[in-house]
Formats: sequence, C-alpha cells, structure tokens
Amino acid sequence: QSALTQPASVSGSAGQSITISCTGTNSDVGGYNYVSWYQQHPGKAPKLMVYDVSNRPSGVSNRFSGSKSGNTASLTISGLQAEDEADYYCSSYRTSNSYVFGTGTKVTVL
Amino acid sequence: EVQLVESGGGLVKPGGSLRLSCAASGFTFSNYIMEWVRQTPGKGLEWVSSIGGSSTSIYYADSLKGRFTISRDNAKNSLYLQMNSLRAEDMAMYYCARRASTGRMDVWGQGTTVTVSS
Repeated sequence: QSALTQPASVSGSAGQSITISCTGTNSDVGGYNYVSWYQQHPGKAPKLMVYDVSNRPSGVSNRFSGSKSGNTASLTISGLQAEDEADYYCSSYRTSNSYVFGTGTKVTVL
Repeated sequence: EVQLVESGGGLVKPGGSLRLSCAASGFTFSNYIMEWVRQTPGKGLEWVSSIGGSSTSIYYADSLKGRFTISRDNAKNSLYLQMNSLRAEDMAMYYCARRASTGRMDVWGQGTTVTVSS
C-alpha cells in the first residue's frame, strides 16, 4: 500500500505563508473528503490539525487551513510562527476500510 | 481529561510475540472506533488496524498478513494489539488513537516502543 506523497521539507520565514501538498489517487484523496492533517513535534504524539479536508478541531489556530483539488490535498499555514516548526502528515480514508498516511513534511521556520 | 495510555512495548526476538495495551479514560470508550498506528524511525506513520465500538468491524493493513490481532474490552476501557511472528520491520513506536469520525483521529496516546532484535 503506497503512502501519499508529500514534499520532504518546506521552509518559510516567520510571518509568511507556506503550503504543503499531499498527493494520492482516486482510491483515497480524490475519492473521499476524509483527508486529515497531523502535526508532530519531536518526541511527541501526532496532533490533529485539520479533518475532513478543511475543518479545524476546536483549539487549533485559524492560521491552519486545508483544501483539496482532485487527487491532491493541501495544508496552508499562514503567519508562520516558530512553534509551527514540526513534521506534518496528511492522512486519507482509502477504499476497503483502510487508511493511508503521507510520507511526511518537515516544516522549518527560517 | 480525555486520555489514552499505551503499554506493553519492549524488546522481543524475531519471530516472537508481544501484546500491546491502551488504557482509555475521560470518555465513553465503547462509543468510539479505536485505531493502532505505528511509526518507524525515519519512515513516517503507518495505519495498522481499527476496531469498531462493539468489535464487529475489524480491519487491518494488508502488509500485516494476519500476524496482528486487534481486540478491545469495553468493560475495562482497554484496547489491545496482539503481535505474532514479529520481524525487524515491525520495530516502531505504536500509538493508539480514537477515531471521532471517518476522517478524524482526534486523540492519541504517547506511544509504546517495540524493538525487534536478537
């Protein structure tokens, strides 16, 4: 089962906006609106940041936003802050009651 | 406070077995689908298995080929993962997670580490 494809790293200066892409297939990202994004700081558990493509859980900053077009989902972080430096993973429901994660993207705040 | 706490990880020889546990608190455990997700060093997250609230719906990643068994005990608010015929590639941090809806794993434990080595 192939993982969703994400860029290995994305960087931006504090205050800027960055976008992380997540590319899958018609069997996952493109076929369902069940894409979620997780933030993971070193040594910590993943934290849900966006679900169902573009919804934010309570308590997550509105600087984080999600979208999808075809087989590619995106996470945009606006007003980049030092605390946003972490690894980010996308995830999608996949046909036959399974789930798939992305390869992960390391975000660096310059 | 909603919380998940994993335990049971450790060092096991190739071909050996291990049973992971996840203790839930702060929510009605039986109302939720529960998941196991693992993270290998440098390889990112991988979905392992999920189990419905009443244990009637159980799913596994194809790569596990029947070696792992997920179960739960709602009376004990606990989730389990029985892992048999362990291989070096199973070495990972194992997380349990609560699935609030199809697209949302909203609560994660801190993880338990499994090391497979002779």
